Amino acid sequence: GIQVEQSPPDLILQEGANSTLRCNFSDSVNNLQWFHQNPWGQLINLFYIPSGTKQNGRLSATTVATERYSLLYISSSQTTDSGVYFCAVRMDSSYKLIFGSGTRLLVRP
Amino acid sequence: DARVTQTPRHKVTEMGQEVTMRCQPILGHNTVFWYRQTMMQGLELLAYFRNRAPLDDSGMPKDRFSAEMPDATLATLKIQPSEPRDSAVYFCSSAGGWNGELFFGEGSRLTVL
Repeated sequence: GIQVEQSPPDLILQEGANSTLRCNFSDSVNNLQWFHQNPWGQLINLFYIPSGTKQNGRLSATTVATERYSLLYISSSQTTDSGVYFCAVRMDSSYKLIFGSGTRLLVRP
Repeated sequence: DARVTQTPRHKVTEMGQEVTMRCQPILGHNTVFWYRQTMMQGLELLAYFRNRAPLDDSGMPKDRFSAEMPDATLATLKIQPSEPRDSAVYFCSSAGGWNGELFFGEGSRLTVL
């Protein structure tokens, strides 16, 4: 089946720093989403981005489908950005949204 | 404010008891997924419905788990009998269309003693 790999697995930042999270996938996809799971366990939608670039405030994402990766950029990080960031993809031939193992982010004040 | 609603938010039960979790998808969404999240396995897909029809439940232990959609506004996940290894957070999610953006409920945290 499709493999979804996220890096780094863990990341510690000082408040105000920038970071880039990466998601690599092993097959063609027609859907890619980024989620933030906050410390209370809620899964928050960040981006629906099967291709191209989107920005929402301090966050932006880029998916290069032909090269099978997506990047999530966090600028001027805040303590409320802490949590786990998941990438999830759907293959062209399937309806299943497959999740990566996540990047655990801790932003220190 | 459209959102996926799940009940109960927390459930503690004893081994062998029946557990039923409920989900109200976003109005107008015709695809529903059940996921389970554990520390060891991450987010696993349990079942998938489109237009209330179950299309895939291969991720569920068939002998004890069952998933249904009695109507377009209600999806249920039942465990009978429950076991300690079923302890996890169960998420329901819905999308408008098979390739639409997926939205998650807040989850049902199940603890089986």
